[in-house]
Amino acid sequence: NAGVMQNPRHLVRRRGQEARLRCSPMKGHSHVYWYRQLPEEGLKFMVYLQKENIIDESGMPKERFSAEFPKEGPSILRIQQVVRGDSAAYFCASSLSTARSTDTQYFGPGTRLTVL
Amino acid sequence: KQEVTQIPAALSVPEGENLVLNCSFTDSAIYNLQWFRQDPGKGLTSLLLIQSSQREQTSGRLNASLDKSSGRSTLYIAASQPGDSATYLCAVGAVWSNYQLIWGAGTKLIIKP
Repeated sequence: NAGVMQNPRHLVRRRGQEARLRCSPMKGHSHVYWYRQLPEEGLKFMVYLQKENIIDESGMPKERFSAEFPKEGPSILRIQQVVRGDSAAYFCASSLSTARSTDTQYFGPGTRLTVL
Repeated sequence: KQEVTQIPAALSVPEGENLVLNCSFTDSAIYNLQWFRQDPGKGLTSLLLIQSSQREQTSGRLNASLDKSSGRSTLYIAASQPGDSATYLCAVGAVWSNYQLIWGAGTKLIIKP
C-alpha cells in the first residue's frame, strides 16, 4: 500500500508564475489536508478537503491560493502569481475518516517550492 | 490561541548520550500530543502519540511524557545513535477541531559519531 505521494518534490518558479502542487492520498483515503512549513517554523494548517468539497480553508490565504480534490485524480494546491514569501515546504496528509483524525493523518514527503 | 514552542531549536550531542527534547503549549485543553520525526527530503513519521488522559508513552529507546497542567511534554531518547539525527516536531491535537494540528517549529538534532 503506497503512502501519500506528492509531486513534484522540488519546484522552482519565478515571481509571477503559477505553481501547481499535487497530492495523491493513501489508497482508500478520501480526506486530504494541506500544511505549509515556512523556513525555521512549524507546519501551519491551510485547508481540509474531501472528495469534491472544501471543508475548511481557514488557514489558506484569501488571494492567489486555491485547492481542489476532484472526484478522480489527485488533490491540487494552486498558487497563482507566486511571490518570494511563498517559498516553503508544502505537506499533504490524508486520513481514512475524520470522526477525529488528529492522530490518523499520514503525511507525504512534501513539495519544496522556491520562488526566484 | 494555542501556541506550541520547542526548545532548543538545535542540539548536537555525542553518540551514546541520553537526551531530552522539550515541547510547551500555552493552552492545557488539548486532545492529544504527538511527536514526529522529519528527515530531510522525506515525509513526517509519527513516533509517539499521547492522549490527553495519559502521562507517558514508550517505544523502544523513546519515551514521551505529558504534563497538561504545566503545558509541557518531553521526548527522552536513550543511548542516542547517529541514525537519530533528524528534526523532531511536536504537534498538539486541538479540542476544538477534529483534524487541526498545531505544530512547534522543531528541534534539529545532530548525533555525532
